[in-house]
Amino acid sequence: DTAVSQTPKYLVTQMGNDKSIKCEQNLGHDTMYWYKQDSKKFLKIMFSYNNKELIINETVPNRFSPKSPDKAHLNLHINSLELGDSAVYFCASSSRGPYNEQFFGPGTRLTVL
Amino acid sequence: KQEVTQIPAALSVPEGENLVLNCSFTDSAIYNLQWFRQDPGKGLTSLLLIQSSQREQTSGRLNASLDKSSGRSTLYIAASQPGDSATYLCAVLGPNTDKLIFGTGTRLQVFP
Repeated sequence: DTAVSQTPKYLVTQMGNDKSIKCEQNLGHDTMYWYKQDSKKFLKIMFSYNNKELIINETVPNRFSPKSPDKAHLNLHINSLELGDSAVYFCASSSRGPYNEQFFGPGTRLTVL
Repeated sequence: KQEVTQIPAALSVPEGENLVLNCSFTDSAIYNLQWFRQDPGKGLTSLLLIQSSQREQTSGRLNASLDKSSGRSTLYIAASQPGDSATYLCAVLGPNTDKLIFGTGTRLQVFP
């Protein structure tokens, strides 16, 4: 299936731990994104990469570090997890350019205890 | 700073009704507008994308319109079905950025 996939789907961890979320797209897109959906269901962008290069970096704590080994993958590593990091994290991809549709992954629900 | 608002926040209708969801944005210099559907605990499914130069897009029972100058878009759902129950999100791209700015969503329930 052509899609944006994320692993894991659920992640439950203790405060202070370090965790990673992986994202892969096989749509041939060259731009990938990470979005965060908070407890009030509001979606906001965190990062955007184009051809492995960071394009957008919103005001996100530097405990969050995206890594793009190639243009089909964009992983999100989070250090020293805090309670407020609990949210659903969505990966998305699109072709480059302002008129292109973004396609979203199924999301990773992160719960920090 | 672009802000996107959706009204109503929630809507409950009987099956078969035609309905309209509203989306407004503060900066009209957008590249495009996307409507998404989100089912509980699931990801986002793209429904329709309207380019800034277009006025409307149609897919099946869905019709989305765009009035860029007034900063408004509507999603029209014809002959609603219980399977349409979900949260509907609109998002605008731009100006001068690749990031989507999302609205607050409309939670739709269609009952039999």
